[in-house]
Amino acid sequence: GENVEQHPSTLSVQEGDSAVIKCTYSDSASNYFPWYKQELGKRPQLIIDIRSNVGEKKDQRIAVTLNKTAKHFSLHITETQPEDSAVYFCAASENTNAGKSTFGDGTTLTVKP
Amino acid sequence: DTAVSQTPKYLVTQMGNDKSIKCEQNLGHDTMYWYKQDSKKFLKIMFSYNNKELIINETVPNRFSPKSPDKAHLNLHINSLELGDSAVYFCASSHPWDGYTFGSGTRLTVV
Repeated sequence: GENVEQHPSTLSVQEGDSAVIKCTYSDSASNYFPWYKQELGKRPQLIIDIRSNVGEKKDQRIAVTLNKTAKHFSLHITETQPEDSAVYFCAASENTNAGKSTFGDGTTLTVKP
Repeated sequence: DTAVSQTPKYLVTQMGNDKSIKCEQNLGHDTMYWYKQDSKKFLKIMFSYNNKELIINETVPNRFSPKSPDKAHLNLHINSLELGDSAVYFCASSHPWDGYTFGSGTRLTVV
């Protein structure tokens, strides 16, 4: 089955700095890679995703890159703000009816004002 | 109008009891899931249903039994609750090959 590794497990940055979270996956059949943000006590929410036919995608201050050959993908957050503080999860899934996403173990991002 | 709603939000119960969690989605998605989030925040899939049919049943004790009466509902029944079952249980739904919409979670505490 799919295995997703996520690093680092914790990340602390100063407000205004950039933050990068990296994930690797094992199953070459995986072709959809979403990222979720989970604030304390809340549900995970989809913030950006990328499909295997695309190398990079950007949405305002967040961007995701995908390297299919190396089987890794990354989340980049620029100009971080205190409200970016949360747990971030990467996931990998295959285009099947199961739609199952395998999640990384999460990164706790703290943005210090 | 809540997209994926779960009830109850909190559940405190004694060991050995049986409890149910309900989930409903109004997004028209074909696929629904149950995930368990433990104290370390790890998210692990338990079950997946596509159009009322069980698709994924991960290594979950058979004390856990999902039921999908229609594609908008996926309930989770747990028999003989154990201390180790304490966790947050998230229901989610999606279109195939798309991101999940999660419910607000049910925090289960077994005492």
